[in-house]
Amino acid sequence: KQEVTQIPAALSVPEGENLVLNCSFTDSAIYNLQWFRQDPGKGLTSLLLIQSSQREQTSGRLNASLDKSSGRSTLYIAASQPGDSATYLCAVKGNNDMRFGAGTRLTVKP
Amino acid sequence: DAGVTQSPTHLIKTRGQQVTLRCSPKSGHDTVSWYQQALGQGPQFIFQYYEEEERQRGNFPDRFSGHQFPNYSSELNVNALLLGDSALYLCASSLLAIYTDTQYFGPGTRLTVL
Repeated sequence: KQEVTQIPAALSVPEGENLVLNCSFTDSAIYNLQWFRQDPGKGLTSLLLIQSSQREQTSGRLNASLDKSSGRSTLYIAASQPGDSATYLCAVKGNNDMRFGAGTRLTVKP
Repeated sequence: DAGVTQSPTHLIKTRGQQVTLRCSPKSGHDTVSWYQQALGQGPQFIFQYYEEEERQRGNFPDRFSGHQFPNYSSELNVNALLLGDSALYLCASSLLAIYTDTQYFGPGTRLTVL
């Protein structure tokens, strides 16, 4: 059974800092891994999608990597801004469904 | 192009009651998935509908049922509500033929069971 873990559960950084969020999963038989952003009480916004054959994806200040063999992914956020404050969720897609981690709650202080 | 829409936004029910939540997928999508997100947790997969049939199901009791209509919109029904059913219910749509594509999520319905 696929299990997804995100560390840390919460992170507070000053504006301008570069940061890394971590995601690990137990079953490497995945189709893809996706990073989402969720603002309080809202739905999910897709940030980056990495197919199982890919190693990384970039969008603006965001870069996500995938190491399927070790069951790990990282989301790198460069030059963080207060508007980046949100919960970041990773999700892996397998044969049966999409499994989510519990998320990392990020606070960027001005 | 309207994205995924859900109704209602908020709902308050009492234990034992029944509730119906609604979802309209993104234009061009044929598959709808439902998720339950408890406070402080990641979304948990409930089930997925394609061609008006339940295609996959997560670890949820039979009190949770669904339906998909010919226009691809979907309903989630929960019977005999429990306090533990209080959560944000998210709907996501996708195109089954592109299984590896992203799912697009709606804003969710916040259900409170008293």
